[in-house]
Amino acid sequence: EVQLVQSGAEVKKPGESLKISCKGSGYSFTSYWIGWVRQMPGKGLEWMGIIYPGDSDTRYSPSFQGQVTISADKSISTAYLQWSSLKASDTAMYYCVRNAGGNSPIDYWGQGTLVTVSS
Amino acid sequence: DIQMTQSPSTLSASVGDRVTITCRASQSISSWLAWYQQKPGKAPKLLIYKASSLESGVPSRFSGSGSGTEFTLTISSLQPDDFATYYCQQYNSYLWTFGQGTKVEIK
Repeated sequence: EVQLVQSGAEVKKPGESLKISCKGSGYSFTSYWIGWVRQMPGKGLEWMGIIYPGDSDTRYSPSFQGQVTISADKSISTAYLQWSSLKASDTAMYYCVRNAGGNSPIDYWGQGTLVTVSS
Repeated sequence: DIQMTQSPSTLSASVGDRVTITCRASQSISSWLAWYQQKPGKAPKLLIYKASSLESGVPSRFSGSGSGTEFTLTISSLQPDDFATYYCQQYNSYLWTFGQGTKVEIK
């Protein structure tokens, strides 16, 4: 069974750093892209970027380029999303998603990680 | 970026109603469009891909159509489990974009 299991909820202060994780199982982790999707409170879905763990090829949405870093450790089948300096506006639910690449949809979603940034 | 515009933003309907949601792309995306359903507190779930292909396990009352820039999601007979928010998403390029969502409410 394909699963994407994300790390738990985080409460941080503005200016702090953070790295959240997404562990894939039940499939070949290096053969699928892992993406990240943001959902701010009461709002819609925003694609942030994707990584191919097989060779670490990474692409970002222009809206998030320079704001976050996406990485992966294929030895432990885990992808990461990190911030170096959080802002209150980063408060949101973050989902990791699986994608087969090319012209294919998102076929699996993680359960989401809620990040709250507040002083 | 390709912009995706859904309409309506909110839809009030009764059990048994036929419901149609529209999604328009700012430029042609061929048939590279997916529809997702999201219930409160849950991750979205894939319903339709490649504009009209039904994901395995999704009830046949859901259907999708369209190509180019105009797409529709139809629920033929709305069921209690279908009250949720629906999003379209284009994957014509790696610069994915989502529609703003359509909330289907109980009338």
